Amino acid sequence: DTEVTQTPKHLVMGMTNKKSLKCEQHMGHRAMYWYKQKAKKPPELMFVYSYEKLSINESVPSRFSPECPNSSLLNLHLHALQPEDSALYLCASSQDLSGTSGEAEQYFGPGTRLTVT
Amino acid sequence: GESVGLHLPTLSVQEGDNSIINCAYSNSASDYFIWYKQESGKGPQFIIDIRSNMDKRQGQRVTVLLNKTVKHLSLQIAATQPGDSAVYFCAESYSGGGADGLTFGKGTHLIIQP
Repeated sequence: DTEVTQTPKHLVMGMTNKKSLKCEQHMGHRAMYWYKQKAKKPPELMFVYSYEKLSINESVPSRFSPECPNSSLLNLHLHALQPEDSALYLCASSQDLSGTSGEAEQYFGPGTRLTVT
Repeated sequence: GESVGLHLPTLSVQEGDNSIINCAYSNSASDYFIWYKQESGKGPQFIIDIRSNMDKRQGQRVTVLLNKTVKHLSLQIAATQPGDSAVYFCAESYSGGGADGLTFGKGTHLIIQP
């Protein structure tokens, strides 16, 4: 199973709402990622979790709050978002092979299409 | 080529021809490179990867070439098919394979003409 699943597929929320995006993988990967992708642009890294600990935060505003409850799950909690935060939010996972020469490709989920009104 | 505004560089090829998609990467310390294919409404799909200690790697119908001297990466797709139509992104990272985020290139829209 090389699948990363994300829910919901689509989300529309107001600027005062609180919502969460969910991501799940069962490949035994210990690294998980959140990316943001605007239309006709490449994905941009937001957060990296390694062994359930936040290892990279790419200066993301605090209205985005990631959480990794266990090695298979990754959440992104959203609060007080702005219309410019509307985008496709992609989750990915990979083996964490620090210092080794194994395969380290990141597997992406289908994304959550977020619209902030 | 470089994207202008919201427009992705586009490569149009005839079905059955070979395609070559190019990418210039930015970090000379990057040691791991990946090509992804992204179809409309879907997440990026892994195609092939290469480490900096190699200059060529072949997969099924695809070949990746790495030129570290000029920081250039290319993806060759043999005998392109209609299903190859998508946006192709190169991505780089520096980590030795550890948990490091990917930095993506601008992307190229590949269109297959019948």
